Amino acid sequence: EAGVAQSPRYKIIEKRQSVAFWCNPISGHATLYWYQQILGQGPKLLIQFQNNGVVDDSQLPKDRFSAERLKGVDSTLKIQPAKLEDSAVYLCASTQTGGTEAFFGQGTRLTVV
Amino acid sequence: GENVEQHPSTLSVQEGDSAVIKCTYSDSASNYFPWYKQELGKRPQLIIDIRSNVGEKKDQRIAVTLNKTAKHFSLHITETQPEDSAVYFCAAIYNDMRFGAGTRLTVKP
Repeated sequence: EAGVAQSPRYKIIEKRQSVAFWCNPISGHATLYWYQQILGQGPKLLIQFQNNGVVDDSQLPKDRFSAERLKGVDSTLKIQPAKLEDSAVYLCASTQTGGTEAFFGQGTRLTVV
Repeated sequence: GENVEQHPSTLSVQEGDSAVIKCTYSDSASNYFPWYKQELGKRPQLIIDIRSNVGEKKDQRIAVTLNKTAKHFSLHITETQPEDSAVYFCAAIYNDMRFGAGTRLTVKP
């Protein structure tokens, strides 16, 4: 079974630039999560999708972050414009449904300079 | 949304000793409680989980206990080994999955 795929693995951008991350979940997984993990901290939930609908985006900084999962499969997370404090690893995870094991992608390490 | 608190933030034990990590959650509707292990530079991976209809679950040297009344759950690792050194995260799930801040476990040989 193929795992959760994320790209790119690493990204370095200047502050105020834009960046986008891509996630392809495990086939058949209806639930998709995006997390922000700052070094030394636990993953912080940014947004959760159930198929192509948003379940929870209460912690997503909507003035600069956006995410979509138009066809209920892969998803993109965008930051525009980026700030220095956005430097983190962005993790995507998927589950068959809520309340089952979540599988994580390798993550995208973003550095904003 | 759910709020999960995890303690301690760091834990150092001698090889062969036991390690215990505790988490509390706020939403009494949460019904699934996984524990993830994250090694440096790698993705979190599930090591054990428990559902709200069960009080305890064991898998070899790892066990998890759940107290629904007090809204807390714990990870127990017995006979620790150096390869157990990692960061451990608890999570609580009802509609969404929120993580604790993590515990950095160091097992000294």
